[in-house]
Amino acid sequence: SAVISQKPSRDICQRGTSLTIQCQVDSQVTMMFWYRQQPGQSLTLIATANQGSEATYESGFVIDKFPISRPNLTFSTLTVSNMSPEDSSIYLCSVVGRPYGYTFGSGTRLTVV
Amino acid sequence: GIQVEQSPPDLILQEGANSTLRCNFSDSVNNLQWFHQNPWGQLINLFYIPSGTKQNGRLSATTVATERYSLLYISSSQTTDSGVYFCAVGSPLPTNTDKLIFGTGTRLQVFP
Repeated sequence: SAVISQKPSRDICQRGTSLTIQCQVDSQVTMMFWYRQQPGQSLTLIATANQGSEATYESGFVIDKFPISRPNLTFSTLTVSNMSPEDSSIYLCSVVGRPYGYTFGSGTRLTVV
Repeated sequence: GIQVEQSPPDLILQEGANSTLRCNFSDSVNNLQWFHQNPWGQLINLFYIPSGTKQNGRLSATTVATERYSLLYISSSQTTDSGVYFCAVGSPLPTNTDKLIFGTGTRLQVFP
């Protein structure tokens, strides 16, 4: 299965600032997915990132707040912009491969103060 | 969109006990996966099981796609099994994008 390196692993940020999260995959993948997990909750898909095209955002998530880049088939970034305490969550990237299914990065634990 | 419900929401076991976790989904799926999220937040892929039965050591899973449910069995539980178990499904509709929809989760605590 693919190996994903995600960083930073955690950060504490001031409200109003932005944080960029990076995910590097050890193999080429067509689609990468970004998820958010709010405290004590399940995972919610933010967007799907395809190389060479704009990301596809799920209902409730907008590009201005969560801009995504996908410059090549092994790398993607998610930026959390103009942060507020409500953005405190774990953010995870994921890729899919056959036949092993989905693999997740180790997550970025974000606290906004 | 597709709904994914898991039961029970919480489960407390003594070490050595067996348990069954259930995942119900509201529509046809083209994939299903079980994950274990450990206390450090890492999501570990347990099974990729859109249909049929698979076993891996003390864990096994069965998906009956026609009846829209999946079961995860944990035998002889250990304290290291503690954490949250998620079922996640992929739907071919409205477009087959491979995205996963996560269930509500089952929080398992195993005590020595």
